[in-house]
Amino acid sequence: QQQVKQSPQSLIVQKGGISIINCAYENTAFDYFPWYQQFPGKGPALLIAIRPDVSEKKEGRFTISFNKSAKQFSLHIMDSQPGDSATYFCAASLSNYGQNFVFGPGTRLSVLP
Amino acid sequence: DGGITQSPKYLFRKEGQNVTLSCEQNLNHDAMYWYRQDPGQGLRLIYYSQIVNDFQKGDIAEGYSVSREKKESFPLTVTSAQKNPTAFYLCASSITSSNIQYFGAGTRLSVL
Repeated sequence: QQQVKQSPQSLIVQKGGISIINCAYENTAFDYFPWYQQFPGKGPALLIAIRPDVSEKKEGRFTISFNKSAKQFSLHIMDSQPGDSATYFCAASLSNYGQNFVFGPGTRLSVLP
Repeated sequence: DGGITQSPKYLFRKEGQNVTLSCEQNLNHDAMYWYRQDPGQGLRLIYYSQIVNDFQKGDIAEGYSVSREKKESFPLTVTSAQKNPTAFYLCASSITSSNIQYFGAGTRLSVL
């Protein structure tokens, strides 16, 4: 019940295209869903996050879509750029309990120039 | 600059040796965490601490030890009991009541 599944494992997109990464969770008690971006040799950095009371959140070129009934959420990167090439992790947790983060296995995104 | 500093960036361990990874933060965060990252896997929680002089085991604590004597510092010791220590180790911190974790740049540990 604590697992977060993430797909695809790797993704190659042309510059200007849309990158889509999907995650699914099992524990219906989760109520905070962040996405982290990690560049090689660096620590992950929070990109965008959503709570289940909304179905979509947009910040610039990054959008999270959330489907509570299906227990799925996805990250959409519009107008993908080579600088977006990184590994993206979805995660799920209970509010105010940082130690209960469950991370997906990650998606390595490559945006071709 | 506020942030989390991990050192060293690269570390090599010999058989039977204990090694200590440093993590320092100047964000005034109460909570600190240690994660292990292996290729193709998500981050796995080793230990976490919500307050000075208190810490709890995470999902994969065996073969590791920590201390939290100061708010700013949360060192991780990889003991000789950890038979497969080769990994990328990440330290993070957060405000206790917040989900937002801030990560350091990591330490890559290898076995000689």
